[in-house]
Amino acid sequence: GAGVSQSPRYKVAKRGQDVALRCDPISGHVSLFWYQQALGQGPEFLTYFQNEAQLDKSGLPSDRFFAERPEGSVSTLKIQRTQQEDSAVYLCASSPRGQGSGSPLHFGNGTRLTVT
Amino acid sequence: DQQVKQNSPSLSVQEGRISILNCDYTNSMFDYFLWYKKYPAEGPTFLISISSIKDKNEDGRFTVFLNKSAKHLSLHIVPSQPGDSAVYFCAASALGGTASKLTFGTGTRLQVTL
Repeated sequence: GAGVSQSPRYKVAKRGQDVALRCDPISGHVSLFWYQQALGQGPEFLTYFQNEAQLDKSGLPSDRFFAERPEGSVSTLKIQRTQQEDSAVYLCASSPRGQGSGSPLHFGNGTRLTVT
Repeated sequence: DQQVKQNSPSLSVQEGRISILNCDYTNSMFDYFLWYKKYPAEGPTFLISISSIKDKNEDGRFTVFLNKSAKHLSLHIVPSQPGDSAVYFCAASALGGTASKLTFGTGTRLQVTL
């Protein structure tokens, strides 16, 4: 596709439910990032993939958060046993080359997760 | 602690005038700085960047200035247009290059009035 695609656009989950958020990066892009944006805040880094390898997961807030990119293209962010504090917009971004390459990140429109 | 700070949550400027958005940072390891623009219900869009080896970068109506000694950068938009109305995020990277883990500020909402 022309840009980074994320689905669903909106997700409402009851506290304790598991959710899965999908990201389709721009075709051929090597780098893929997940960010979390709480209301009124800037995006905060969650995790980074270079192809299928998860090179940095230092931003994942707890072990309830898990991300994968098994074939180096589509990525899924999974949140287990959702809590109210998980309510945020989850942004995916991709870049054609690896870290430090000077290529800008292309962001998707995000998934707005609301935990009730 | 907030390593990238945008202390003005909002800014209103008349069409045709200059818009100046400010950003301060605390981490001296940051070596690449970027500005992103965000419209409601959309993801951030890359606008302009600057390496720490430069003090100015210009792209059309947009200029970014970097003052390393003050750990301060600013985005100038001249002339401002109604379509520039959006939230602007300052971001920084410590790994060199824009395709790196970014630390974002909290954003400044710019409104350009007629």
